[in-house]
Amino acid sequence: GESVGLHLPTLSVQEGDNSIINCAYSNSASDYFIWYKQESGKGPQFIIDIRSNMDKRQGQRVTVLLNKTVKHLSLQIAATQPGDSAVYLCGAAGNKLTFGGGTRVLVKP
Amino acid sequence: KAGVTQTPRYLIKTRGQQVTLSCSPISGHRSVSWYQQTPGQGLQFLFEYFSETQRNKGNFPGRFSGRQFSNSRSEMNVSTLELGDSALYLCASSASRGGGTEAFFGQGTRLTVV
Repeated sequence: GESVGLHLPTLSVQEGDNSIINCAYSNSASDYFIWYKQESGKGPQFIIDIRSNMDKRQGQRVTVLLNKTVKHLSLQIAATQPGDSAVYLCGAAGNKLTFGGGTRVLVKP
Repeated sequence: KAGVTQTPRYLIKTRGQQVTLSCSPISGHRSVSWYQQTPGQGLQFLFEYFSETQRNKGNFPGRFSGRQFSNSRSEMNVSTLELGDSALYLCASSASRGGGTEAFFGQGTRLTVV
């Protein structure tokens, strides 16, 4: 079945630096890969997605990279801000949307 | 437009009881997926309903069930509650089957089983 996993449970980053969050997946049949941000006490909020036939997509201050050869997905956040502190979830969408365990990002002032 | 609404926000139940949670999706969305989120297991897929039919199911026991109404609102039910069922239950609404891109989540129902 599908599984999506994360390399690092917690990432501490200095305000203003770039953040890189990594994710591994197992099911090559996923159509989309999606990143969500979940703040304390809230449901996950969509950040950005990428189709399986792409390798890079950019949004506002975020870039998602997809390496299908090694089944790896990453989210890059430029100029990390205190408001970026949250848990980041990667998801794989095929016939259903499944998620990895999450990475907590802590932004230090 | 209004977002995904889950009720209640918080719930405390006793072992052995049953519970029903509700999710109202975004207007026009026909897919509702349910997830259980715990610190140890992360966000786990329970099931998805689309046009009143269950389309997909995760690896949960039969005590977990759900349904969807003609207005796309969905309910999930957990019978014979166990302590391990304590979790944040999230629903996500989407315009397409499978959740797909841009599934919108509600704030969740925090269930505590004592």
